[in-house]
Amino acid sequence: GQQVMQIPQYQHVQEGEDFTTYCNSSTTLSNIQWYKQRPGGHPVFLIQLVKSGEVKKQKRLTFQFGEAKKNSSLHITATQTTDVGTYFCVANAGKSTFGDGTTLTVKP
Amino acid sequence: SAVISQKPSRDICQRGTSLTIQCQVDSQVTMMFWYRQQPGQSLTLIATANQGSEATYESGFVIDKFPISRPNLTFSTLTVSNMSPEDSSIYLCSVGAGTGFEQYFGPGTRLTVT
Repeated sequence: GQQVMQIPQYQHVQEGEDFTTYCNSSTTLSNIQWYKQRPGGHPVFLIQLVKSGEVKKQKRLTFQFGEAKKNSSLHITATQTTDVGTYFCVANAGKSTFGDGTTLTVKP
Repeated sequence: SAVISQKPSRDICQRGTSLTIQCQVDSQVTMMFWYRQQPGQSLTLIATANQGSEATYESGFVIDKFPISRPNLTFSTLTVSNMSPEDSSIYLCSVGAGTGFEQYFGPGTRLTVT
């Protein structure tokens, strides 16, 4: 079955530092989605990537989809305390599979 | 996007009892899902709630333990039956919407079984 690995599991950064989380699938994906879950909250949809090599930006967030459509990354430039939470990738290949998430903490 | 509400928001239940969680959407949607999230863990899909037919359960989840109803395109219920402390978790419903069927989640139901 489809396996999705997300690394790192935890990331602690100083405010202003950059942050990257990676998502790797064992199978070729039709698309990949990213969600953010604040502490005590529910997952909130951020973005969907569909095309091979696609890059999308949302303010300080940059999302990439690998050329082989098996991996993706989320990069945050100059983190802020509002970025804290757990970032999940969701790999879609017939069925949707949540990654284990990367929990980001930001020290002010 | 869709606005989703869940009831109850939290509950403390005794072992052996059952709890029914309601999920209401503000618009008609085809795809509704039920997830379980243990503290500090990722989300695990329990089942897809199909309107007018039986839910589709994921491996490890069975209808007798987690019966689901989907009477229309805006509402679904999940029952957690014969509960044990291992069922303590957050249960979330979600709907698939938008061009890419991105998911929108309800606020979740925090269940504690004693």
